[in-house]
Amino acid sequence: DVKVTQSSRYLVKRTGEKVFLECVQDMDHENMFWYRQDPGLGLRLIYFSYDVKMKEKGDIPEGYSVSREKKERFSLILESASTNQTSMYLCASRLSRGLKIGEQYFGPGTRLTVT
Amino acid sequence: EDQVTQSPEALRLQEGESSSLNCSYTVSGLRGLFWYRQDPGKGPEFLFTLYSAGEEKEKERLKATLTKKESFLHITAPKPEDSATYLCASSDYSSASKIIFGSGTRLSIRP
Repeated sequence: DVKVTQSSRYLVKRTGEKVFLECVQDMDHENMFWYRQDPGLGLRLIYFSYDVKMKEKGDIPEGYSVSREKKERFSLILESASTNQTSMYLCASRLSRGLKIGEQYFGPGTRLTVT
Repeated sequence: EDQVTQSPEALRLQEGESSSLNCSYTVSGLRGLFWYRQDPGKGPEFLFTLYSAGEEKEKERLKATLTKKESFLHITAPKPEDSATYLCASSDYSSASKIIFGSGTRLSIRP
């Protein structure tokens, strides 16, 4: 079974703090994703990594950065947290299958509150 | 613009009352259509992938079908533990990262 873990289930940070969210997968998947999920807005892609050290901006990358130094680990960084970054953050991983796209496996989520 | 639209937004059923959830998609060149289940406060859990029109997949009380414009998730004789939000998502060939999620159908099964 694929397992995707996230460093925290709940996190409370203050405005202006630098925040690190970590995601680890144990199935040697090449692709990893960071999403945020907000009521009424659904799942929105922040960043995508197709392999180690490779990254691609998603739909809403402003205010975020990422790091993928090892295949199993994908970190999301909020450079200076703001209240509008209060959200549920979801990490996902996926096996790269060439033309035949595979399914994503999601972590449990991190509920981040910025005060 | 590529879109995924799910209906209804919410559905309340009596235990044992079968029904279907709809997912309409408008992507040029479908690469894959995915169904996920999401429980409150948790990450989505993968259910099915469908690749071409006419394809069907089944798991316990759930059956997913695909046409050229929409997908259905049929729930047969549901139980209270089937209560969750069901998400549909599509992928095309334009980008490996582009996966469009619908807003979900919130399903509630009354005992």
